[in-house]
Amino acid sequence: QKEVEQNSGPLSVPEGAIASLNCTYSDRGSQSFFWYRQYSGKSPELIMSIYSNGDKEDGRFTAQLNKASQYVSLLIRDSQPSDSATYLCAVNGGGSQGNLIFGKGTKLSVKP
Amino acid sequence: DGGITQSPKYLFRKEGQNVTLSCEQNLNHDAMYWYRQDPGQGLRLIYYSQIVNDFQKGDIAEGYSVSREKKESFPLTVTSAQKNPTAFYLCASSVRDSSSYEQYFGPGTRLTVT
Repeated sequence: QKEVEQNSGPLSVPEGAIASLNCTYSDRGSQSFFWYRQYSGKSPELIMSIYSNGDKEDGRFTAQLNKASQYVSLLIRDSQPSDSATYLCAVNGGGSQGNLIFGKGTKLSVKP
Repeated sequence: DGGITQSPKYLFRKEGQNVTLSCEQNLNHDAMYWYRQDPGQGLRLIYYSQIVNDFQKGDIAEGYSVSREKKESFPLTVTSAQKNPTAFYLCASSVRDSSSYEQYFGPGTRLTVT
């Protein structure tokens, strides 16, 4: 059974701090990794994708991938109250297909 | 505006009735997907389609059916055989069904069956 694990939280950080969200996955054949943000009652919104080991930065967001450790993380710098949401980690289900396996999400709360 | 639309936003049905959820995209994407989300749970794949007139079962296809007669449309029918149909249903699309391409979601349909 292919799995994606996330700490459910809630993760609480003060405004302006760095929020660190972590995700581990079980399938070594996975090739693509995604972070989605989901506000309460809304659909997931893609915020980052990463395909190779290392860091990828986009504005205040940095995704980090370590395939050897089967670990992917998302850093949010200068966290804002508007970043308060559930963050879903998604991993393709091995091989070249696009089917995604989702973690249950980490709820982030940014306190003013 | 390009995007994915799902309708209706909320749907209420009585147990034993079939119901069809709409998903339309104008992104010219080949691949489309249906997921289900339950409270506190990750999204689970119901069905996906790589191309018109072709679709494959996902992890939880029992009690659901789909069709893909047009590239833009991928409706999902929740049949009376689905034991726990109340959930948030999400449609997604991607350029291709490949690990190299990102999936984008529609706004979702919240189905309540009583």
